[in-house]
Amino acid sequence: QVQLVESGGGVVQPGGSLRLSCAPSGFTFSSYGMNWVRQAPGKGPEWVALIWFDGSNKYYADSVRGRFTISRDNSKSTLYLQMNSLRAEDTAVYYCARDRVGSSGFVGAFDIWGQGTMVTVSS
Amino acid sequence: QSALTQPASVSGSPGQSITISCTGTSSDVGGYNYVSWYQQHPGKAPKLMIYDVKNRPSGVSNRFSGSKSGSTASLIISGLQAEDEADYYCSSYTRSSTLVVFGTGTKVTVL
Repeated sequence: QVQLVESGGGVVQPGGSLRLSCAPSGFTFSSYGMNWVRQAPGKGPEWVALIWFDGSNKYYADSVRGRFTISRDNSKSTLYLQMNSLRAEDTAVYYCARDRVGSSGFVGAFDIWGQGTMVTVSS
Repeated sequence: QSALTQPASVSGSPGQSITISCTGTSSDVGGYNYVSWYQQHPGKAPKLMIYDVKNRPSGVSNRFSGSKSGSTASLIISGLQAEDEADYYCSSYTRSSTLVVFGTGTKVTVL
């Protein structure tokens, strides 16, 4: 069964840090680009970050660049999102999502999503 | 990078067809054939329904179809069913530094 399972969400104070993890199963993790996408309460999804299948390239949304770091460990089949200098506006459900095209590029079509993990930034 | 523009709500009776529009610019929808559509039920993760403007992933009903004209993409749901009641979001690859932009979302109601 192809699936993604996120963990690591919680409540953190403004300016704090949190690390999210995403564990895949049912497919060859090292063959796919992976993304983090977030969705604030009552809002639409917002793409956050992309890492290529081999970790060689990383891209970020303007809203998180310089504060968030995406990484992966293909030997452990795990995706990470390190979030620093958190702000109230980072409050959202964070999803990891697989890009459909695999190692051949990136087109921003996300065919597998996790169930999400909630991050709340509040004092 | 501004969100793509969708109507806030669309409704239809069972069996009818509805169309959801998604309007962007030449930097996103109009510049690439990388428009996707997602269905999201309350409390659930989004589900990919259409990719590359008009292609359906395996397992998605052929009642869902997509098209594009200029900078506006469309999702057509034919033979509307109660289970189609959900929020729908479009997205597009974009040439900006934020690689993907999502739409504002459309709530579909089956009357």
